[in-house]
Order: sequence, then structure tokens, then C-alpha cells
Amino acid sequence: GAVVSQHPSWVICKSGTSVKIECRSLDFQATTMFWYRQFPKQSLMLMATSNEGSKATYEQGVEKDKFLINHASLTLSTLTVTSAHPEDSSFYICSATGGSAYNEQFFGPGTRLTVL
Amino acid sequence: RKEVEQDPGPFNVPEGATVAFNCTYSNSASQSFFWYRQDCRKEPKLLMSVYSSGNEDGRFTAQLNRASQYISLLIRDSKLSDSATYLCVVNVNTDKLIFGTGTRLQVFP
Repeated sequence: GAVVSQHPSWVICKSGTSVKIECRSLDFQATTMFWYRQFPKQSLMLMATSNEGSKATYEQGVEKDKFLINHASLTLSTLTVTSAHPEDSSFYICSATGGSAYNEQFFGPGTRLTVL
Repeated sequence: RKEVEQDPGPFNVPEGATVAFNCTYSNSASQSFFWYRQDCRKEPKLLMSVYSSGNEDGRFTAQLNRASQYISLLIRDSKLSDSATYLCVVNVNTDKLIFGTGTRLQVFP
């Protein structure tokens, strides 16, 4: 149990386009979902926290107008990278809580974004 | 100063060796502590939680020293499959996880 999926697993796009990444909790209702970004050889950095039906809370330095988060249901959150640029190329990982009694975060497999 | 600091390694050890990783955290209000394992180009996976009394799971032993704000992970009898990056993770409130940059382990035959 407690499986989180992400789609797509990888994407290559041109500079200036927008990319949507989906995060789904497959067998539990996610009370909270988190979006992280990881650059090569660096740690996972939390970008934002979202709860179903409410606005996401963004970490300092993360542009909310560039990284749009929608958490429309208890099993789906989306991250849209708007007007992507090469510096947005990274590994984007979501996680979700609600799948266990211990508030454990279950991670999706990640999405590798490459902006040309 | 980073919130969670780890030696990036890499640690190159032969099969069967014992290896220890250390981690320090800066926020004394930190409440929960974990070790995650991350394979190349994959998501992190929870290896074990870390408790003040120390805890063991098979070949893995984790220790926490709150006074020194220090966490350790000991791996005994290393296997080739243990090769990965080990992430020290700290939870300050009930939601946020703070990740270290990880320590890379390479076990060779």
C-alpha cells in the first residue's frame, strides 16, 4: 500500500513552453502533498506544500506564479512549470502523507525535466 | 550553515566492511530524524527512523545524540546492493522534511 505515482517520468521541452507534472496517490487519500526539486549532486529542496482544496504554501525563493500547484482532489496534485527555461531543468519529486498513521511521506518516482 | 550537513563521500568500501555515516543538524527544535536511501535517478526511500535510544534493523544501526545534534548510521557486513546515496533527514514540525545532501556509498567486490 501507500503508492504514489508521477507522470510523466521524464520530459524534454523547448524553452518558453509550460510543462505539467501529475502526482497521484494510488491507494490512499493524501491529506497533504509536497513538491521537491533536486539538482544534480544536491539535496532535495522543498518547493511547496499543498492541501486539497486550498492554496499551496511555497517555500522562500520559489516563485508561485512560475510553479503553479493545483491540488484538486485527495488523490491528485499537479505542478505546472510555466515558461520553462534551461535553469528549470531538474528532477521534480512529489510526496504525500495520509497513507500511514505515522505521517510518513511516501515519494513518487520523480519526473526528470530537461528544458532545451 | 546548512540545516542538515553530511559528508558527501564517496565512501568506497569492500564487501563485508563496516561503514559509518555522520550527520549534524542545526535546529535544536528538530523533532524526528530519519535515514533515507536514494539510488541514482530514483526517488528517496525510507531506510529507518532514528530514535534517541538508538535502534537497529538487521545490519543497520542508527543513533541520535540530541545534545550534540548529531545522527549516525552504521552499516555492517556491507553488500554490493548497499551502494547508494544515504540521506539524513530531519523533521522540524509535523510537515516539513529537511534533507541533507547525502553521502554516497560504493561497495566493491
